[in-house]
Amino acid sequence: DAGITQSPRHKVTETGTPVTLRCHQTENHRYMYWYRQDPGHGLRLIHYSYGVKDTDKGEVSDGYSVSRSKTEDFLLTLESATSSQTSVYFCAISERTGGSQPQHFGDGTRLSIL
Amino acid sequence: GENVEQHPSTLSVQEGDSAVIKCTYSDSASNYFPWYKQELGKGPQLIIDIRSNVGEKKDQRIAVTLNKTAKHFSLHITETQPEDSAVYFCAAILNGGTYKYIFGTGTRLKVLA
Repeated sequence: DAGITQSPRHKVTETGTPVTLRCHQTENHRYMYWYRQDPGHGLRLIHYSYGVKDTDKGEVSDGYSVSRSKTEDFLLTLESATSSQTSVYFCAISERTGGSQPQHFGDGTRLSIL
Repeated sequence: GENVEQHPSTLSVQEGDSAVIKCTYSDSASNYFPWYKQELGKGPQLIIDIRSNVGEKKDQRIAVTLNKTAKHFSLHITETQPEDSAVYFCAAILNGGTYKYIFGTGTRLKVLA
């Protein structure tokens, strides 16, 4: 299994509070991704990173920000959490982008916003 | 926008029977199609993938077929076992090699003993 650790694994918080989720990898892969998984929607890309300090938006980026100060860590921040951001969040990594390398996923963070 | 449609959403089969899950993609430039298996409380795990220069790929009881003309690809599981019960996702790379995967909405497979 790819060395990907997501923390925390579960979190319950209140609307309006800031939340930060962490993804840590031991594979030294260049590319890292944050997805959210909701019933009926599959996995949707929030943000991704193609190197230290290099990030870009995915299809559902509103309300989220990311940072990558080290190769191994990719942080996802909800500046002011809303109930619509209740979801399961997955981090993924790949060695290269494009069709030659698959993405490998962590075990997710279940986030509930009350 | 581009999308991937996956069918069926749920599938029940008897142990030992075959299971087939189908996906259709819209981006004709897509050239890479992975399949993931997700067990309860876990992240998706890659089980097989296929590139557009290949029509079929097998790995033991699992196979994937690709029809580029029709923009269809399918997952075939033979001799199903209870441990095959999970949610399966297909995906397609957009625009022939960018960072973006588009995922199907998943198929919950139940293998009945």
